[in-house]
Amino acid sequence: DTAVSQTPKYLVTQMGNDKSIKCEQNLGHDTMYWYKQDSKKFLKIMFSYNNKELIINETVPNRFSPKSPDKAHLNLHINSLELGDSAVYFCASSQDSGQGSYGYTFGSGTRLTVV
Amino acid sequence: DAKTTQPTSMDCAEGRAANLPCNHSTISGNEYVYWYRQIHSQGPQYIIHGLKNNETNEMASLIITEDRKSSTLILPHATLRDTAVYYCIVRVGVNNAGNMLTFGGGTRLMVKP
Repeated sequence: DTAVSQTPKYLVTQMGNDKSIKCEQNLGHDTMYWYKQDSKKFLKIMFSYNNKELIINETVPNRFSPKSPDKAHLNLHINSLELGDSAVYFCASSQDSGQGSYGYTFGSGTRLTVV
Repeated sequence: DAKTTQPTSMDCAEGRAANLPCNHSTISGNEYVYWYRQIHSQGPQYIIHGLKNNETNEMASLIITEDRKSSTLILPHATLRDTAVYYCIVRVGVNNAGNMLTFGGGTRLMVKP
């Protein structure tokens, strides 16, 4: 059973299109996240979300929006795709807790290619 | 979060111990040291974390100096499958939406036959 699953694994699309990436976690975690890993392999946080708050990294364009239908899902919608959006996108989740919290669980990634 | 400094890359012979250092001289008293790794084409994987005591689990050991300004991740018997980028992250050990995990450049460990 996959703890954090993302679909699709690969996505090729044209500039200007709107696309979505889905993420589901079956761990019962409270908070979910989206990360972007660009061609230089740097992992950057984009969003964190639980039922109380949405935190958006200030560098993320407003063409990107997270949608959470329920606690187990956090989908990523991208409007008007640009060439620079090409990257691997990772979903992650964590259990909210106090000091000494354990780590995040990551999905296997979605490789987005914009042509 | 306190910043960390790691070597860009390291090599290790298969079967030997891999010792990955991390400097975090500005760590605060309530910040933990976390280690993750990312194997090629996979999502990051949590390895271990600690505050001030040494920690060990089925994957690795974490040695934190007494002054907490540096730490070492030890893979006791490295295998080819341990080839990955290893990230040392210092952060307050509370999980919530406002305390997001941020990654630096990490150390690329190459385990060689």
